[in-house]
Amino acid sequence: GAVVSQHPSRVICKSGTSVKIECRSLDFQATTMFWYRQFPKQSLMLMATSNEGSKATYEQGVEKDKFLINHASLTLSTLTVTSAHPEDSSFYICSARSGGARGEKLFFGSGTQLSVL
Amino acid sequence: RKEVEQDPGPFNVPEGATVAFNCTYSNSASQSFFWYRQDCRKEPKLLMSVYSSGNEDGRFTAQLNRASQYISLLIRDSKLSDSATYLCVVNRPGSARQLTFGSGTQLTVLP
Repeated sequence: GAVVSQHPSRVICKSGTSVKIECRSLDFQATTMFWYRQFPKQSLMLMATSNEGSKATYEQGVEKDKFLINHASLTLSTLTVTSAHPEDSSFYICSARSGGARGEKLFFGSGTQLSVL
Repeated sequence: RKEVEQDPGPFNVPEGATVAFNCTYSNSASQSFFWYRQDCRKEPKLLMSVYSSGNEDGRFTAQLNRASQYISLLIRDSKLSDSATYLCVVNRPGSARQLTFGSGTQLTVLP
């Protein structure tokens, strides 16, 4: 079964509203999670690295005030797209790396398709 | 130059065919290499890691050429269920945890 849960799977919102996406590791603790964005026919682009208990590290060109990341616990990271615009419409996906008994493996959430009208 | 470059395809092959995908990466300091598959609007799933000596997993064979910074994936006896986008993935040097994805090669296996 899924070890990283991402919600919602799909969201349609009006321009100007904010949308929160949750990424939860189900049976392991993840001090680090990653947020990606994928436009149609393009590769996954790393947006930011989410660190539990500290500030996220954003990739060049990603506005940290627009894409708010909160990693308040070892099992939950959230990405909030603030004041969404149609150009923010994309497939957003999180991943988390587990260690310990599972070894160093990277697990992905099932993704969130965001459509901004 | 893109960090990870792949032929986007599409590759349309008949069932049972052998198909090969290629990938090049730009940073010679990269240490970890993977092939993922992604179905439409789904999360990527690890297909296999790629080791320097080359490795095989059933019908899938991966090769790495560090000198040429080139990675390949060979699929033998292709099945309808192999239809997907195949992503070449390389770790970001200095960070074992951050990955750089190629844009993917689309494969359609035809009956």
